Amino acid sequence: KQEVTQIPAALSVPEGENLVLNCSFTDSAIYNLQWFRQDPGKGLTSLLLIQSSQREQTSGRLNASLDKSSGRSTLYIAASQPGDSATYLCAVRNDYKLSFGAGTTVTVRA
Amino acid sequence: NAGVTQTPKFQVLKTGQSMTLQCAQDMNHNSMYWYRQDPGMGLRLIYYSASEGTTDKGEVPNGYNVSRLNKREFSLRLESAAPSQTSVYFCASSLDMAGNTIYFGEGSWLTVV
Repeated sequence: KQEVTQIPAALSVPEGENLVLNCSFTDSAIYNLQWFRQDPGKGLTSLLLIQSSQREQTSGRLNASLDKSSGRSTLYIAASQPGDSATYLCAVRNDYKLSFGAGTTVTVRA
Repeated sequence: NAGVTQTPKFQVLKTGQSMTLQCAQDMNHNSMYWYRQDPGMGLRLIYYSASEGTTDKGEVPNGYNVSRLNKREFSLRLESAAPSQTSVYFCASSLDMAGNTIYFGEGSWLTVV
């Protein structure tokens, strides 16, 4: 059974600092890994999708890396802003199933 | 820009009552999913539909039924609600079951008293 872990559960940083969010998974036979953002009371918004054959994906200030062999992914958010405050979840796909981590709640202080 | 639309957004039920959560997507996706999100548990898959006409159980299907009404719509039914089904329910869709981005609805907050 795939287990997805996100540490830390919560993170508070001053505005402008770079954010580093970690995701680890136990079964490396994945199709892809997806990072989501969730605002309070809202659904999940997809940020980045990394296929199993890729090492990283970038979108604006966001960069996600994938090391499938070690079962790890890292989401980097450069020059954080108060608007980046949210919960970030990673999810890995094995076959039909998408397994989620519990998320990291980020607070960016102005 | 509708994407994935869920109704209702909020619902309070009494134990034993039944209800159906509705979901529709306008992206011509083949695959649709129902998840529940509970504090400290992350999102867990209840049921999914790989394509129109098919449905399969996920991790936590007990107490739920689903119907893939057509390619656009995928409903989740609670036949006899229990307090343990108090949760936030998310519908999602993707082009297929392979390596595509999955898109989520805004969620339905259900409380069973």
